[in-house]
Amino acid sequence: SQTIHQWPATLVQPVGSPLSLECTVEGTSNPNLYWYRQAAGRGLQLLFYSVGIGQISSEVPQNLSASRPQDRQFILSSKKLLLSDSGFYLCAWETSYEQYFGPGTRLTVT
Amino acid sequence: GIQVEQSPPDLILQEGANSTLRCNFSDSVNNLQWFHQNPWGQLINLFYIPSGTKQNGRLSATTVATERYSLLYISSSQTTDSGVYFCAVRRNSGYALNFGKGTSLLVTP
Repeated sequence: SQTIHQWPATLVQPVGSPLSLECTVEGTSNPNLYWYRQAAGRGLQLLFYSVGIGQISSEVPQNLSASRPQDRQFILSSKKLLLSDSGFYLCAWETSYEQYFGPGTRLTVT
Repeated sequence: GIQVEQSPPDLILQEGANSTLRCNFSDSVNNLQWFHQNPWGQLINLFYIPSGTKQNGRLSATTVATERYSLLYISSSQTTDSGVYFCAVRRNSGYALNFGKGTSLLVTP
């Protein structure tokens, strides 16, 4: 069966520091992968998606970037964090149109 | 972009009661999913239901694609049903799941 991992689970970082969040999927090949952010107050927003290695599409221009160095690995990065980058970051993978989410990383920028 | 509206925004039920959550969307979709977000933030897939009716235990869902709405039914609610329920849809030409703002459900003993 397929599983999705995210780490770290929680992170507290100062403004201006770099960021690297990792997501890996097991049990599937060439999945579509997604990064979403959930700010306080519930709504989820798509940040990036990838349909293959090295292929990244950005939905919202901002302080973040994404990379897909391997088929089942998706990384979210920032060179300098802003206070507004705080939130709950969720990685998702897709099969036959249905998306499944990882456990998320809760990021607090101080 | 596509608009997704969920109602009610908040709901308090006594254990054992039934409820209906509604999701309206503004465009044709090829994907509609219902999720339950638990207190730890995990999004749990409930239904993939771009059209038709499905049932899973005490939960069932119906999507009427031609009228652009979906309903989630919870019967005999339990305290473990508490959390936020999200409806998310994807347009026929796109990748993003567009989420509603959710319905926050609290089931009391």
